[in-house]
Amino acid sequence: DAMVIQNPRYQVTQFGKPVTLSCSQTLNHNVMYWYQQKSSQAPKLLFHYYDKDFNNEADTPDNFQSRRPNTSFCFLDIRSPGLGDAAMYLCATSRGEWLYEQYFGPGTRLTVT
Amino acid sequence: SQQGEEDPQALSIQEGENATMNCSYKTSINNLQWYRQNSGRGLVHLILIRSNEREKHSGRLRVTLDTSKKSSSLLITASRAADTASYFCATDAGGYQKVTFGIGTKLQVIP
Repeated sequence: DAMVIQNPRYQVTQFGKPVTLSCSQTLNHNVMYWYQQKSSQAPKLLFHYYDKDFNNEADTPDNFQSRRPNTSFCFLDIRSPGLGDAAMYLCATSRGEWLYEQYFGPGTRLTVT
Repeated sequence: SQQGEEDPQALSIQEGENATMNCSYKTSINNLQWYRQNSGRGLVHLILIRSNEREKHSGRLRVTLDTSKKSSSLLITASRAADTASYFCATDAGGYQKVTFGIGTKLQVIP
């Protein structure tokens, strides 16, 4: 059974047109993460939530926002996508302590035209 | 900046051979993890090794950690075509609840 679900799997948006990516989890984990991964690169952390506590990475552009309305769901909003935002967006969860692994969803491939 | 750097960046072997990937990192860590990513998919956790551990096994995987050299290695024994993927190390040097991924090793296992 899927534990971290991302929708949609593929998203095409136009330059400057807002887009929202969705992530849900059935693990009841405290922490949810959003990563951006470009081709042949490492996943780059954008931000994460510990419960409702939001933690933004210093170099995450203001263009990227996130919402976590409840434990199960987390959204990534890109307010004005640029061509450089085309990437795979990965959602992950963890129990939140130092020594636990992260569980990843399958990712959403975003194309900006 | 990225904490881990994998070496080699690409590796091609025949099915049945062993594959060794290395990861070096820069600052002190509490634990180091290895993940696998099949093409165009999410990452899958393979193994976690704590800073007070030197070696850990899981099935055909063997991970070593040398904190004095700030390096780790992942050995996959008797490789299979299904092992073809990218392998990333990740350290917790980024802070509580966070990991920082290296650039990965792309492994190709030829049937």
